[in-house]
Amino acid sequence: DTEVTQTPKHLVMGMTNKKSLKCEQHMGHRAMYWYKQKAKKPPELMFVYSYEKLSINESVPSRFSPECPNSSLLNLHLHALQPEDSALYLCASSLRDRGDTEAFFGQGTRLTVV
Amino acid sequence: AQSVTQPDIHITVSEGASLELRCNYSYGATPYLFWYVQSPGQGLQLLLKYFSGDTLVQGIKGFEAEFKRSQSSFNLRKPSVHWSDAAEYFCAVGARQAGTALIFGKGTTLSVSS
Repeated sequence: DTEVTQTPKHLVMGMTNKKSLKCEQHMGHRAMYWYKQKAKKPPELMFVYSYEKLSINESVPSRFSPECPNSSLLNLHLHALQPEDSALYLCASSLRDRGDTEAFFGQGTRLTVV
Repeated sequence: AQSVTQPDIHITVSEGASLELRCNYSYGATPYLFWYVQSPGQGLQLLLKYFSGDTLVQGIKGFEAEFKRSQSSFNLRKPSVHWSDAAEYFCAVGARQAGTALIFGKGTTLSVSS
């Protein structure tokens, strides 16, 4: 199984809502990532988890709250988002958090904030 | 710190013609280099990677890339482009140290004309 599964595929939420994005992998990878991608732009790194501990937070606003309940799951909790947060949110995983391992990406969650 | 430059924002190639997408990197040591492809609204799929050894690497879907240390380049090539190759292509570089994530170039949009 070389898949990273993200749910939901699409999400529309109001600015006062709380929602969560989920990501799952069963490849035994110990590094998991959240990226944000706007149209026609490269993925922007948000968070990195290594061995279930947050190792990188790229100065992401607190309305985005990551969680890694176990080595296979990664969540992104959303609260009080702004319309400019609308984007494709990509989860990825790799064997470890080093550049010598390839990252496997999920299909993404298309988020629209209204 | 490492960085990646993809000089071409948009390239149009006729179906059946050859393709070369350019990628230049900046990194103090031997880099780990990757090419990913992204179809609209989808996640990123790894085409190929270079870690060491043979400087010409073969990937999926008939793509290859050549690492040239003297030019700090890792250009992607395909001898004959198919309409299904139309997509966004990202070059990425990874660092050796732990606690890092891939750095992506801005991407090149490939259009294929019939």
